[in-house]
Amino acid sequence: KAGVTQTPRYLIKTRGQQVTLSCSPISGHRSVSWYQQTPGQGLQFLFEYFSETQRNKGNFPGRFSGRQFSNSRSEMNVSTLELGDSALYLCASSSWGGSTDTQYFGPGTRLTVL
Amino acid sequence: DQQVKQNSPSLSVQEGRISILNCDYTNSMFDYFLWYKKYPAEGPTFLISISSIKDKNEDGRFTVFLNKSAKHLSLHIVPSQPGDSAVYFCAAIVSNSGYALNFGKGTSLLVTP
Repeated sequence: KAGVTQTPRYLIKTRGQQVTLSCSPISGHRSVSWYQQTPGQGLQFLFEYFSETQRNKGNFPGRFSGRQFSNSRSEMNVSTLELGDSALYLCASSSWGGSTDTQYFGPGTRLTVL
Repeated sequence: DQQVKQNSPSLSVQEGRISILNCDYTNSMFDYFLWYKKYPAEGPTFLISISSIKDKNEDGRFTVFLNKSAKHLSLHIVPSQPGDSAVYFCAAIVSNSGYALNFGKGTSLLVTP
């Protein structure tokens, strides 16, 4: 079974631009979560989608948004990029989205904001 | 506010010895705990988990211990192997309030031959 895939793997943007990251979950998985990893803050939860609905949201500004499609693929968007948005963005999928359901992570998208 | 803390950024252990990675948490509502391992350029990989109704869970060379009164958990790796060298993340969730993992900042384990 193919794992979680994320595209692109690397991205360079400038301040003020917007960016869209994509995540394809493991086949059959319906829950997709997004995390931001930075050296200072570690891994922080952004949001989680299940069956095209956002169920949980972390403590991030409204510039961070996401969506999920009917095939469970998910995208996250960051508008008006700031230097502090430079991070590794990780996507994770799980089969039924239960709290004890194992989350499988993709390799991440490394975003650099100049 | 970091609710899950891994106070040792790094740990070096000799091959064959025991590796002990520690994790503390502040939120008493957490009732499910996980350890993930991360190699460079890869996403975190699930390793082992434990529910708050248990105090120990074992899977091969990996054992997780939970001390609820101390709000502390630890991961034991016995025996340690060079391939175990990676960053280990502790994570916790409140199982009835959504599925948002709260991660520690990680401990970088180096197992030397």
